[in-house]
Amino acid sequence: GQQVMQIPQYQHVQEGEDFTTYCNSSTTLSNIQWYKQRPGGHPVFLIQLVKSGEVKKQKRLTFQFGEAKKNSSLHITATQTTDVGTYFCAGEGRSQGNLIFGKGTKLSVKP
Amino acid sequence: EAQVTQNPRYLITVTGKKLTVTCSQNMNHEYMSWYRQDPGLGLRQIYYSMNVEVTDKGDVPEGYKVSRKEKRNFPLILESPSPNQTSLYFCASSLFRGPSITEAFFGQGTRLTVV
Repeated sequence: GQQVMQIPQYQHVQEGEDFTTYCNSSTTLSNIQWYKQRPGGHPVFLIQLVKSGEVKKQKRLTFQFGEAKKNSSLHITATQTTDVGTYFCAGEGRSQGNLIFGKGTKLSVKP
Repeated sequence: EAQVTQNPRYLITVTGKKLTVTCSQNMNHEYMSWYRQDPGLGLRQIYYSMNVEVTDKGDVPEGYKVSRKEKRNFPLILESPSPNQTSLYFCASSLFRGPSITEAFFGQGTRLTVV
């Protein structure tokens, strides 16, 4: 079945360093969503990318959707301790509504 | 306030004792879904519903049932819970703007332990 792979699984950075997580799908995606889950919390929506090659920015966060719509990335510039959490990508799978999540990248930031 | 409400937040039960986890949203969303989250496995979809009386299996539906009799409610039923269903469960809802679902709003989660 369709898979959404996400790497790395863990990332430890010093505050102020950059961070990137990558998401790859085994099939073409109609769109991709990104979520953040703080420790002990629930996933919170960050963004949805729909168009091939799309790039969107939210302050220090930059999201990209690949030209083939099979991969995506989230880049955080100059991480802060408030960025700590697990970042998930998600795409619709075999049918509308079948949302498949990557396993997430857990980010820790050392002050 | 727009929200997805799950109950209970924590539950310890015994093997075989039927239980229901409720989920309610106040945003008039068509789409609702259940996920389980386990360490190292991320979020896996159990069941989803595109609208009232329409439900579909996700990737890990075995041992679970759902119903969607009203737009706002989407209960998750475990007819005969087993220890391998010990997990953190999340309910979510979204608008559906064809051809895709939009941002998902998640509930606070239900931590279930089956002994």
